[in-house]
Amino acid sequence: DTAVSQTPKYLVTQMGNDKSIKCEQNLGHDTMYWYKQDSKKFLKIMFSYNNKELIINETVPNRFSPKSPDKAHLNLHINSLELGDSAVYFCASSQGHPSSYNSPLHFGNGTRLTVT
Amino acid sequence: TQLLEQSPQFLSIQEGENLTVYCNSSSVFSSLQWYRQEPGEGPVLLVTVVTGGEVKKLKRLTFQFGDARKDSSLHITAAQPGDTGLYLCAGAVLTFYGNKLVFGAGTILRVKS
Repeated sequence: DTAVSQTPKYLVTQMGNDKSIKCEQNLGHDTMYWYKQDSKKFLKIMFSYNNKELIINETVPNRFSPKSPDKAHLNLHINSLELGDSAVYFCASSQGHPSSYNSPLHFGNGTRLTVT
Repeated sequence: TQLLEQSPQFLSIQEGENLTVYCNSSSVFSSLQWYRQEPGEGPVLLVTVVTGGEVKKLKRLTFQFGDARKDSSLHITAAQPGDTGLYLCAGAVLTFYGNKLVFGAGTILRVKS
């Protein structure tokens, strides 16, 4: 199936640990994103990569480090996890450069991160 | 404060009723997209509106973009239980590095049979 897939779907870990979330898209898109959805369902962009190049870097703590080995993959590594990092993290992709404002986002099904 | 104010936050209605969800801002958007999200899944695009005053219809759903491209509405006619979900509007804002999608806080719709 053509899709945006991210793993794991659920991640439960303790404060202070380091964890990674992986994302892959086989849609042939040029741009990939990480979004964070909080408990109130508010969806906020964290990062955007276009052809492996960082385009958008919102005011995210530097404990969060995205890595794009190729344009089909965008992983998210989080160091020293904190309680406030608990949320659902969505990977997404779109065709073209972010300046193509008509391009819809194709989302993965999310990774629910719970920090205890 | 959020760039995009979405209302209402929650809506619980009976099957067959009509409803409207609003998305408002003081900013002008290059375009505006509406998404629907079901539990345990990612948002799925419903429609993109680009031109001020544009109206698009998708079966029982009618989307309108305001003339000034600052607001939008989603109207559902004769709602069905299958319409239940989280509806998100997202506006494209021009930034230094290109367009960025900014999401509203969402409207949780529950349609009871």
